[in-house]
Amino acid sequence: QSVLTQPPSVSATPGQKVTVSCSGSSSNIGNNYVAWYQQFPGAAPRLLVYDNDKRPSGIPGRFSGSKSGTSATLDITGLQPGDEADYHCGAWDSSLNIYVFGTGTTVTVL
Amino acid sequence: EVRLLESGGGLVQAGGSLRLSCAASGFSFTSYAMSWVRQAPGKGLEWVSALSASGGSIYYPDSVQGRFTISRDKSRNTLYLQMNNLRAEDTAIYYCAKDNGAWPYYVDSWGQGTLVTVSS
Repeated sequence: QSVLTQPPSVSATPGQKVTVSCSGSSSNIGNNYVAWYQQFPGAAPRLLVYDNDKRPSGIPGRFSGSKSGTSATLDITGLQPGDEADYHCGAWDSSLNIYVFGTGTTVTVL
Repeated sequence: EVRLLESGGGLVQAGGSLRLSCAASGFSFTSYAMSWVRQAPGKGLEWVSALSASGGSIYYPDSVQGRFTISRDKSRNTLYLQMNNLRAEDTAIYYCAKDNGAWPYYVDSWGQGTLVTVSS
């Protein structure tokens, strides 16, 4: 089962901002880097953010990540219809010695 | 360009076995950790195994420990996942994944996935 908790869904109108939260513990988010992945229906995930707040080349600046304590956040600003997807957070868990993912959040553009 | 191509998925009865393969190209296969990640229908991602770049460290969650075995063939740049004693809850799309470092860190490249269906 997922160790990191995310809201099942968030939504907003085009141009607005959405925030996806990811809650963990000191053994994962609290002491390790967080990554975020975007997944469209029927497709494999792709890396969106790594090391809490870094973007791979090709990822727009509208996507930004942050971390505070045992929680992490993904912000999507200037929301576009093409941003409708599932978003997953992930981090290494030093106690379980495994990589853990969040429960996943569906972003809907109204 | 990193390419990861999985194969070996299919329909198997509970208690049966299956071996997944992942042909890797476009990067130095032995310089990065490699992982398998699965996604049950309508569910989130679940990391099921990782192999360090050196091959000396292997990781499994409790859900597959003792049933799944990750391995690689360096000469073929191929990653494997041997799955034994399969259960209905192992039904999922299995993704081959390249990690960004020599140890499990974060996945920077994913394969397209292969579907494993376990019938009870």
